[in-house]
Amino acid sequence: NAGVMQNPRHLVRRRGQEARLRCSPMKGHSHVYWYRQLPEEGLKFMVYLQKENIIDESGMPKERFSAEFPKEGPSILRIQQVVRGDSAAYFCASSPLETYEQYFGPGTRLTVT
Amino acid sequence: SQKIEQNSEALNIQEGKTATLTCNYTNYSPAYLQWYRQDPGRGPVFLLLIRENEKEKRKERLKVTFDTTLKQSLFHITASQPADSATYLCALDGNNNDMRFGAGTRLTVKP
Repeated sequence: NAGVMQNPRHLVRRRGQEARLRCSPMKGHSHVYWYRQLPEEGLKFMVYLQKENIIDESGMPKERFSAEFPKEGPSILRIQQVVRGDSAAYFCASSPLETYEQYFGPGTRLTVT
Repeated sequence: SQKIEQNSEALNIQEGKTATLTCNYTNYSPAYLQWYRQDPGRGPVFLLLIRENEKEKRKERLKVTFDTTLKQSLFHITASQPADSATYLCALDGNNNDMRFGAGTRLTVKP
């Protein structure tokens, strides 16, 4: 059973461009979470999704950020018009319906130049 | 406001000793609490989950306690080894069964 997959692992964008981060949860997992981590800081919750539904997006900035988890395909975290402050590691995690432990992907390191 | 505070940013101990990490929380009523390990450049890895009605849980050299009155969890690593060096994160369930993480404690075990 493959783990949580994230791609790309590294992403460089210029200010004003769009960043798309992808996350494929573990097989059988229907819950996906996105977190942001700045160097030497903890994980900051961004959004929690189930298939085709956003359950909690209280940690996500209202502007420029959006997330989806379609019926088919990976979950996407989209950042429009990136700014330098968006540079961070973005982690995705998934969990099965019946347990609460989360399985994390390797992260996408976004650098905005 | 809601807070999750983990003790010092960094903890240095000698190999073979017991490491004790603390997680305190404010304005949460978690049904469970989790501990994760994170190595540099990698995603966190789940270690243990303890529920509100459990006082203590063990797994090999790991022990977790959960005191809902004190609003505190303690995480112990006995007979510590240099390979235990990592950042350890505690996490609580939020309002929608999503998780909120503390900032972590960086543990260094010296040989």
